[in-house]
Amino acid sequence: DSGVTQTPKHLITATGQRVTLRCSPRSGDLSVYWYQQSLDQGLQFLIHYYNGEERAKGNILERFSAQQFPDLHSELNLSSLELGDSALYFCASSVEASAADYEQYFGPGTRLTVT
Amino acid sequence: GQSLEQPSEVTAVEGAIVQINCTYQTSGFYGLSWYQQHDGGAPTFLSYNALDGLEETGRFSSFLSRSDSYGYLLLQELQMKDSASYFCAVSDSWGKLQFGAGTQVVVTP
Repeated sequence: DSGVTQTPKHLITATGQRVTLRCSPRSGDLSVYWYQQSLDQGLQFLIHYYNGEERAKGNILERFSAQQFPDLHSELNLSSLELGDSALYFCASSVEASAADYEQYFGPGTRLTVT
Repeated sequence: GQSLEQPSEVTAVEGAIVQINCTYQTSGFYGLSWYQQHDGGAPTFLSYNALDGLEETGRFSSFLSRSDSYGYLLLQELQMKDSASYFCAVSDSWGKLQFGAGTQVVVTP
């Protein structure tokens, strides 16, 4: 158990819908990273938040957005869902936001299925 | 941009040694990490190299050559539970990880 929690574990929804994925980092961790893992794209970095502020964006679609709240939990919002958005979504946390803090702790993931 | 290359699959018998190579092309490189992922599970951290040389952690070792943009993960005394996917990842100054496509390691009796 990494100490990172993600809810829900599974999510099945229809195309065009909007969903919210939630992540609670390990106690004391200020950084939250979101990753998408699909069969054909591997693990792709989406976005990074540090202490409530966005620090970096990867190949995140405009239909996707995220935020980190004052209690440091984070939410990833996916809207106008398409079949291709079906994937495992992981969040990971680390204490700081630097390469020196190199170990990231991954949550169990949310499996999103868009039908 | 960044790109990482690693073999897609490696098969070996229990007790053997396996080396997974990773070559990368990147800007703003700070370090090379290795993560293990079992089917349906979360990636878990194995090792990290920021400087050239070998890092040893139990049965697993990782090597980095910055001048060659190359690293490898060495798995020794393979066990059945080592069957999993192994990812190399490069990190930038903010700690963001860019992952390779992963190497499926299959351990046979």
